[in-house]
Amino acid sequence: GQSLEQPSEVTAVEGAIVQINCTYQTSGFYGLSWYQQHDGGAPTFLSYNALDGLEETGRFSSFLSRSDSYGYLLLQELQMKDSASYFCAVHPRSGGSYIPTFGRGTSLIVHP
Amino acid sequence: DGGITQSPKYLFRKEGQNVTLSCEQNLNHDAMYWYRQDPGQGLRLIYYSQIVNDFQKGDIAEGYSVSREKKESFPLTVTSAQKNPTAFYLCASSIEGTGDSYNEQFFGPGTRLTVL
Repeated sequence: GQSLEQPSEVTAVEGAIVQINCTYQTSGFYGLSWYQQHDGGAPTFLSYNALDGLEETGRFSSFLSRSDSYGYLLLQELQMKDSASYFCAVHPRSGGSYIPTFGRGTSLIVHP
Repeated sequence: DGGITQSPKYLFRKEGQNVTLSCEQNLNHDAMYWYRQDPGQGLRLIYYSQIVNDFQKGDIAEGYSVSREKKESFPLTVTSAQKNPTAFYLCASSIEGTGDSYNEQFFGPGTRLTVL
C-alpha cells in the first residue's frame, strides 16, 4: 500500500516563503502531485512531479526526490488568498490503473 | 462552460434512508471518481470508473454503490448500510491515465451530506 505524511498545519505571514513537506512510502509510483483546497471548496490541481527536481509554476514550486521518498511544495510571496489546505498525492503503479492516493492535507494559515 | 457539477450542495437525510448524490461532467472525460472527505482525513477513494458500464471499488466502498450508464454521469448512492455517512463527498473526473502520462483530476464543488 501507500502512505503519506504531511504536517497538519503551517502558519506564515503575508509576503513570506513557506515550504510544505510530504514524505511517502510506496512501492513504485509514477509521480507526486499537489492540490489546493479552500475551505468548503473543490480541490484544484497545482503541480505534478514525474521526475526528481524542481518544477516551477509562478509563485508555486514543487520538488521531488525519489531516493529520499520526499517532496515539498514551496509557496513564495505569500498572499492572504493562499490560506487553504494543500494535499500531496502519489500516483502508484498499480495494475495499469492510475488512481492517486492523497495525504491528509496541510492547513496553511497566512497572517497579515 | 466545461466542468463538473454536483447536486445538491447540502443534503440532509434521516438515518436508515438511502440517498443518491448526483455527479455530471461535460469535459468528455472517460474516468470518474468519488471521494469522501472527513476533517483531518484527506480524500479517501470510494469508487472509480474508467469507462462506461464499468467501475471498481476504492478503499472505502462498503455501504456505497455507483452506476456508470452514461459517460457524463456517475451517481453515488449512500445506503443505509454505511455506518457513518455524514461527510463531504467529492466527485472528480480525468482523462484516462495510462503509463507515465499524468492527467490531473478535476473536482466538482462537493455535496455535504448530514444524516440526522
